[in-house]
Amino acid sequence: QKEVEQDPGPLSVPEGAIVSLNCTYSNSAFQYFMWYRQYSRKGPELLMYTYSSGNKEDGRFTAQVDKSSKYISLFIRDSQPSDSATYLCAMSDKGGSEKLVFGKGTKLTVNP
Amino acid sequence: DAGITQSPRHKVTETGTPVTLRCHQTENHRYMYWYRQDPGHGLRLIHYSYGVKDTDKGEVSDGYSVSRSKTEDFLLTLESATSSQTSVYFCATYDAGGYTFGSGTRLTVV
Repeated sequence: QKEVEQDPGPLSVPEGAIVSLNCTYSNSAFQYFMWYRQYSRKGPELLMYTYSSGNKEDGRFTAQVDKSSKYISLFIRDSQPSDSATYLCAMSDKGGSEKLVFGKGTKLTVNP
Repeated sequence: DAGITQSPRHKVTETGTPVTLRCHQTENHRYMYWYRQDPGHGLRLIHYSYGVKDTDKGEVSDGYSVSRSKTEDFLLTLESATSSQTSVYFCATYDAGGYTFGSGTRLTVV
């Protein structure tokens, strides 16, 4: 079993839809959870950064972590065509200064 | 990407030749990383550095070496390039705000 599993999609939704992106993981030591957005031919950019379990909201984006189920989610409300990108989950057990383990990414297309 | 410059942006090289990719940062971050990104595999860590002359191996380090003689520069060397090393290579740095990635180097080994 891979340490981090992420459905690669692709996922196609109409503009304005609520999008749910998910990752599962096997290492119970992971405590730091991140979501990155990667536009085509660009480097990943940090979108959300959460520690341990709970929710974090930033504008149209909400990150959820359920450590008991080893499951993390990213919700995008009122999705826009500009949200079309690949979304990568990432996690670590040591505050981010050590190596991150990434999911393979989910490619999202938001259609106008 | 602010503060991180990767060079070259694109390179085509022949099998068996040595190749060096450069990552330059202006943020004075202690931690630096080299990742490769391939379809079906996502981002995988090659090597990382936690200070000048302090480096360690990542998940896919075979065939790669790194050097860090200055805080701002982290070099990745393919000693003898193979077709399996055709990939997009990303450099990243870390600080309290999280990871920042460069724009990537697209390497093709023919």
